[in-house]
Amino acid sequence: ILNVEQSPQSLHVQEGDSTNFTCSFPSSNFYALHWYRWETAKSPEALFVMTLNGDEKKKGRISATLNTKEGYSYLYIKGSQPEDSATYLCAFPAGFQKLVFGTGTRLLVSP
Amino acid sequence: DAGVIQSPRHEVTEMGQEVTLRCKPISGHDYLFWYRQTMMRGLELLIYFNNNVPIDDSGMPEDRFSAKMPNASFSTLKIQPSEPRDSAVYFCASSLAQGRTGNTIYFGEGSWLTVV
Repeated sequence: ILNVEQSPQSLHVQEGDSTNFTCSFPSSNFYALHWYRWETAKSPEALFVMTLNGDEKKKGRISATLNTKEGYSYLYIKGSQPEDSATYLCAFPAGFQKLVFGTGTRLLVSP
Repeated sequence: DAGVIQSPRHEVTEMGQEVTLRCKPISGHDYLFWYRQTMMRGLELLIYFNNNVPIDDSGMPEDRFSAKMPNASFSTLKIQPSEPRDSAVYFCASSLAQGRTGNTIYFGEGSWLTVV
């Protein structure tokens, strides 16, 4: 069974704080790691697809790094804003036909 | 271009009733997925289709759940009879061919189901 773990489960920060959370995945047979963002009452949307060890991707104030040898990815948010409040999900391709998602990190940013 | 369209957006039903959730994938996408989001288990894959054919239904919780895809533009997920523990957000999603690195999945806005 493919195990994709995310921590922490939830996080509450103040506006302006920078924050980060972790996705752990099997390091063997690695092909890619996906990050998604889900704002309640909206569709989950893709943030990044990361494929190379040492990869770093950035989208505005959100960035992600990848370590395939040790099997983890970090997602960073610099200067969190209330609109960043969402659940952040990572996903791992399994069997070439589907993505297996972690349980997500729920971020709440208070003004 | 329209995204994945799901209906109903919200459904409250009584235990024992049949629930049917509907999905229209993005035109041209080969894959259709049904996921369920709960606090305890996160986003679980229930079943997925490739070119309208069910490929893997190992995530379907039990016989009360069934899914169909009669054509490339429509799929249903049915729960009969429904139970309170089925309360969750049910997402439909579609994508192009997945491949080794996994292709981006496009989600609908979800169907929020409450069984009382």
